[in-house]
Amino acid sequence: QQQVKQSPQSLIVQKGGISIINCAYENTAFDYFPWYQQFPGKGPALLIAIRPDVSEKKEGRFTISFNKSAKQFSLHIMDSQPGDSATYFCAAPRGAGNTPLVFGKGTRLSVIA
Amino acid sequence: DVKVTQSSRYLVKRTGEKVFLECVQDMDHENMFWYRQDPGLGLRLIYFSYDVKMKEKGDIPEGYSVSREKKERFSLILESASTNQTSMYLCASNNPGQYNQPQHFGDGTRLSIL
Repeated sequence: QQQVKQSPQSLIVQKGGISIINCAYENTAFDYFPWYQQFPGKGPALLIAIRPDVSEKKEGRFTISFNKSAKQFSLHIMDSQPGDSATYFCAAPRGAGNTPLVFGKGTRLSVIA
Repeated sequence: DVKVTQSSRYLVKRTGEKVFLECVQDMDHENMFWYRQDPGLGLRLIYFSYDVKMKEKGDIPEGYSVSREKKERFSLILESASTNQTSMYLCASNNPGQYNQPQHFGDGTRLSIL
């Protein structure tokens, strides 16, 4: 079964800095790697996702970098803002077809002014 | 706007009680999920359902059961609540197909078992 290992567990970044969260996965067979963002008191929501046929995907200040050979993918938040303070989860499919995602354990990001 | 609604934001129950957590989605999604969120442990899948009256065990099904009698509603049942089931419970739904079919989550039920 697919597992994802996420690091760091918590992260403090200065406003305007770059936040980087890493995930490692095991099974190379699957083709969808999303990141979810969760604010306090809310459920997680999809932030950005990548397929492994590209090495990078950018949406605004958020970028996923994908390294297929290393079986790793990372979330980069450029120009981090206090409003980005949240918990971030990486995820990967458990298997082929209609199967649930398996989530990393989460990274609590705090952006301080 | 898409919506997953969990019936209670906060719930306090006693050990040994039978507890029902309800979830309703208005997006006509086929898949529905129940997760448990604990600090440092992330989101752990309890049960999921890909069709009415169908259910599949997730990673931590022990002590829980589920019911899906209608497409839009997925219930989580704690048969005999115990203190180690104190947690945040999240419901989610989506349609089959991973890409471009994100899971939509409710805002959670914080359950305390005394």
